[in-house]
Amino acid sequence: AQTVTQSQPEMSVQEAETVTLSCTYDTSESNYYLFWYKQPPSRQMILVIRQEAYKQQNATENRFSVNFQKAAKSFSLKISDSQLGDTAMYFCAFMKGGTSGTYKYIFGTGTRLKVLA
Amino acid sequence: GAVVSQHPSWVICKSGTSVKIECRSLDFQATTMFWYRQFPKQSLMLMATSNEGSKATYEQGVEKDKFLINHASLTLSTLTVTSAHPEDSSFYICSARDGHRNQPQHFGDGTRLSIL
Repeated sequence: AQTVTQSQPEMSVQEAETVTLSCTYDTSESNYYLFWYKQPPSRQMILVIRQEAYKQQNATENRFSVNFQKAAKSFSLKISDSQLGDTAMYFCAFMKGGTSGTYKYIFGTGTRLKVLA
Repeated sequence: GAVVSQHPSWVICKSGTSVKIECRSLDFQATTMFWYRQFPKQSLMLMATSNEGSKATYEQGVEKDKFLINHASLTLSTLTVTSAHPEDSSFYICSARDGHRNQPQHFGDGTRLSIL
């Protein structure tokens, strides 16, 4: 069975600084996808970034980038130039790929990030 | 694109009543929809997976007779909490994915359910 671990329950960062949120996972699958979702106080789940396991290149989306280390089963999220609006709960999620999967997510426990003015 | 609408956003009702929550994909066809429950400051807990036109698959420990899920069309799934009690009070979130494999889930805004 797959598991996702987020070892940092809470973090804080000064506005305009850079912060990295960690995520590790355990799987025997070779075809899978990894996601970071943001849940602000409004509680809406917002997709931040996704990574296909077969891609060696790390995904980037504007100020958000990942460090995907497949052998180490690590998938960290780096937020550059942090903004007050980045304050939220961040969830790492794993999804098995392929044609026979249920496409359901395995979520980590989340990291609460607070950006300080 | 990929908008999921969930309604109502907040409902308060008396113990013993049934409550229906709707989840609609507005601009895509959702072959699969998911229902989650989230307790305060915790992660999302998957309750069930529903595929259009077939019975939902419930996660272990989720009472299928308590949480009725219907996915009658490619754009609508409903969750009915039957004979709700205070312990059913929670935040419920739906998500949907379109027919293309390996696409991310798109989430509704959630429903805050309070049972008095």
